[in-house]
Amino acid sequence: DVKVTQSSRYLVKRTGEKVFLECVQDMDHENMFWYRQDPGLGLRLIYFSYDVKMKEKGDIPEGYSVSREKKERFSLILESASTNQTSMYLCASSLSPGGSNGYTFGSGTRLTVV
Amino acid sequence: QKEVEQNSGPLSVPEGAIASLNCTYSDRGSQSFFWYRQYSGKSPELIMFIYSNGDKEDGRFTAQLNKASQYVSLLIRDSQPSDSATYLCAVLSNFGNEKLTFGTGTRLTIIP
Repeated sequence: DVKVTQSSRYLVKRTGEKVFLECVQDMDHENMFWYRQDPGLGLRLIYFSYDVKMKEKGDIPEGYSVSREKKERFSLILESASTNQTSMYLCASSLSPGGSNGYTFGSGTRLTVV
Repeated sequence: QKEVEQNSGPLSVPEGAIASLNCTYSDRGSQSFFWYRQYSGKSPELIMFIYSNGDKEDGRFTAQLNKASQYVSLLIRDSQPSDSATYLCAVLSNFGNEKLTFGTGTRLTIIP
């Protein structure tokens, strides 16, 4: 089974801090995605990547950036954390473009910005 | 209009009955449709996907797709308390780059 590992389960950061969320997958998947999930708003795509050093903006990229230096690792960066970025962050990967076989999700990082 | 719409629920179903979850989508060009189950505090897990019009069965789960009416549904037969979760509908859209668009989910509670 594909495993998608997110480095932290819970994280508390202060407003203005630079925050790194790490995601690693172990099945040589080309495609990786970062979502945030908020009550009533569902899953919203922040950024995604179809290849090393490649990134595409999702629906809500403002305040975020990403890095994909290696195929297995996709990092989400909050340049200057704000309280409205308090959320559950989910990383996902997929084998085929666009995830036509579905995505596999990591266990999530619950980020609180105080 | 949201791209993928689901009734947020909560939907309560007696144990042993059939639970019916519905989803509509706006992009007529969508080709692939997915159902994810998400337990409270956990990440979504894929339970069904469907590409062709009609029904697709997997154990107690049946996915139904009607592209003309732009809806997809999930039926859960012989509902069990362990089926209590939020069910997310996802659609593979073609807005520039292919990506999954998720509905907000339907919370299902199975009553023993």
